Amino acid sequence: GAGVSQSPSNKVTEKGKDVELRCDPISGHTALYWYRQSLGQGLEFLIYFQGNSAPDKSGLPSDRFSAERTGGSVSTLTIQRTQQEDSAVYLCAIPRTGDYNEQFFGPGTRLTVL
Amino acid sequence: AQSVAQPEDQVNVAEGNPLTVKCTYSVSGNPYLFWYVQYPNRGLQFLLKYITGDNLVKGSYGFEAEFNKSQTSFHLKKPSALVSDSALYFCAVSLGNSGTYKYIFGTGTRLKVLA
Repeated sequence: GAGVSQSPSNKVTEKGKDVELRCDPISGHTALYWYRQSLGQGLEFLIYFQGNSAPDKSGLPSDRFSAERTGGSVSTLTIQRTQQEDSAVYLCAIPRTGDYNEQFFGPGTRLTVL
Repeated sequence: AQSVAQPEDQVNVAEGNPLTVKCTYSVSGNPYLFWYVQYPNRGLQFLLKYITGDNLVKGSYGFEAEFNKSQTSFHLKKPSALVSDSALYFCAVSLGNSGTYKYIFGTGTRLKVLA
């Protein structure tokens, strides 16, 4: 969507490599979410950033996954030592302006781990 | 644990007929409920939401959904399906009133509208 860009749009990597996925929301949003859409697991929550509060990491599937959000804007999701089961579309979302209940999703990054 | 169920992997309906895509939820507290649609090779798009008030909510593209607290359901409906409605539909719940806005999604239902 126009409010959130994600890069790269596609990423192919070899098992065991580290990858970084980027989410770049339009400025002014203090909240940011990462989700994962995979064939076996459907759409699942990964992590949530809200301002300067500690992020809600309850959805991260393993300690190979981490995310940060610097300066309250761009966020990067890092997957270390990728596994084939990490193959999925990774989606970033921000709240719709004026409505924290409604989320606006980016186009996603399709990750393929060979 | 909070969960959302979409019992049908796929729903087929003839163009012009009414359609229903089912969703039930299990949460503690008062849920906020959402429907999103994903067209092929496109991102998730918001359709409609129930936060409070009238149990029947209307959304984009002629879709509506009814919140039924006693049956813990939030089925998506449209009176007359179009071929262009063919897509993947996701039901989601959040507990926004507790300060947690993250979504829990159902597994998705693929809607196929046949000409």
